[in-house]
Amino acid sequence: GNSVTQMEGPVTLSEEAFLTINCTYTATGYPSLFWYVQYPGEGLQLLLKATKADDKGSNKGFEATYRKETTSFHLEKGSVQVSDSAVYFCALSRATGGFKTIFGAGTRLFVKA
Amino acid sequence: KAGVTQTPRYLIKTRGQQVTLSCSPISGHRSVSWYQQTPGQGLQFLFEYFSETQRNKGNFPGRFSGRQFSNSRSEMNVSTLELGDSALYLCASSLGGGLGEQYFGPGTRLTVT
Repeated sequence: GNSVTQMEGPVTLSEEAFLTINCTYTATGYPSLFWYVQYPGEGLQLLLKATKADDKGSNKGFEATYRKETTSFHLEKGSVQVSDSAVYFCALSRATGGFKTIFGAGTRLFVKA
Repeated sequence: KAGVTQTPRYLIKTRGQQVTLSCSPISGHRSVSWYQQTPGQGLQFLFEYFSETQRNKGNFPGRFSGRQFSNSRSEMNVSTLELGDSALYLCASSLGGGLGEQYFGPGTRLTVT
């Protein structure tokens, strides 16, 4: 079946450090891949997406590349800020007769000033 | 455009009672999905509705049900509440097209005592 595996958190970084959050997936066919972010007390927000192999999604300095050969969609940011502290979810979605988005367990990021 | 709204934001119920949660999607969005979020299980898909029809369902007991109205607003109902139903219930809307990106509401925090 379809599944998403993310690196376990929490991840603690100092401001301006480089961020990588690993995400791998298992899916039949060609899913769309997403990163969502959840700030404390809020719902999830779409951060970026990629819909086919080698696509790079980017937003707010975050990037992720759809790697079909390694079934991965790792999230990266060159220089994190305190305001990036949140929980990050990797997800996949396949549009076959409706959507059933599968989320990873989430990775909590703490950024220290 | 107004975002996804969910009511109520907080709810406290007693075991055995039933509860109805409401979700109003972004104008023009025809797909509404529901998720349960708990610290132990993460984000779990409940069901997805499109044009008043349930298109996908997750692995939850029959006590969890939903419906969608002609204006795309959706409700979910949980009957015979159990302590384990305490969670954040998130609603997400999308156009219903091929990419699967979703827009989430702030959630309803349900506490069962």
